[in-house]
Amino acid sequence: KAGVTQTPRYLIKTRGQQVTLSCSPISGHRSVSWYQQTPGQGLQFLFEYFSETQRNKGNFPGRFSGRQFSNSRSEMNVSTLELGDSALYLCASSLRVGTSTDTQYFGPGTRLTVL
Amino acid sequence: SQELEQSPQSLIVQEGKNLTINCTSSKTLYGLYWYKQKYGEGLIFLMMLQKGGEEKSHEKITAKLDEKKQQSSLHITASQPSHAGIYLCGADIRSNAGGTSYGKLTFGQGTILTVHP
Repeated sequence: KAGVTQTPRYLIKTRGQQVTLSCSPISGHRSVSWYQQTPGQGLQFLFEYFSETQRNKGNFPGRFSGRQFSNSRSEMNVSTLELGDSALYLCASSLRVGTSTDTQYFGPGTRLTVL
Repeated sequence: SQELEQSPQSLIVQEGKNLTINCTSSKTLYGLYWYKQKYGEGLIFLMMLQKGGEEKSHEKITAKLDEKKQQSSLHITASQPSHAGIYLCGADIRSNAGGTSYGKLTFGQGTILTVHP
C-alpha cells in the first residue's frame, strides 16, 4: 500500500496570505490528524477528522481550519498567515476502528515558510 | 511543563554502544508510540505499547511500558550510524479514565541521537 502523501512538500508565502495543504491517507484509513512541528513548541496537535467530521481540536486559533472529503482525503487551511506559522505541517492517518487507540502513520510533511 | 517528558534531549554515542531513551508522563498512558524522524521529514512508526509491563522488540530496538503505564523506555543495542535521528514518544493521554482522545497524540520534545562510526 502507498503511504500517506502530502502536497505540496514546500511552500513559501507572505504574511497575510492564506494557504491550503493537502493530505491523502493510506488506502482504507478513515481518520486523519494534523500536527504542527516547530523547534520551539515541538509537535502539536491541530485537529482530527473522521467520516468528514472534525472530532477533536487542539489549541490553535480559528485561522487554522480543515476539512475531510468522502474519500478520506483531507485539507487544512491557514488564513491571514503570520510569521509564527512557519513550521512543518504533518498529517497522519489511522484506521480508527472503534474507540481504541490506533497507530498513526505520518506523511512526509509540508514545510511552510512565511516571509 | 510538558505533559510528556523525554530524556535525554540529546545523545552522542560511539557505534556499537547501547543506549536508552526515557519517556515519562504524570498521567496514565492509554497507548504509547515510538517514532523516529530524520530532520525535516515525516515520522516513521517504530512500536506501540498499550499494556502495563509490555515489552516489544524489533531488530536491535526494544521498548517497554512500565506496570503503572506512566513511563516508557526505548533501548538500542549495539548502535549503528543508521540509528541516528530524532526519537519521539507520542502518547494517548486522556483527561479522565472514561474519556477519549480521538486522533490526538501528545508528543515529547524528542531525543536527538548521534552515532559516531
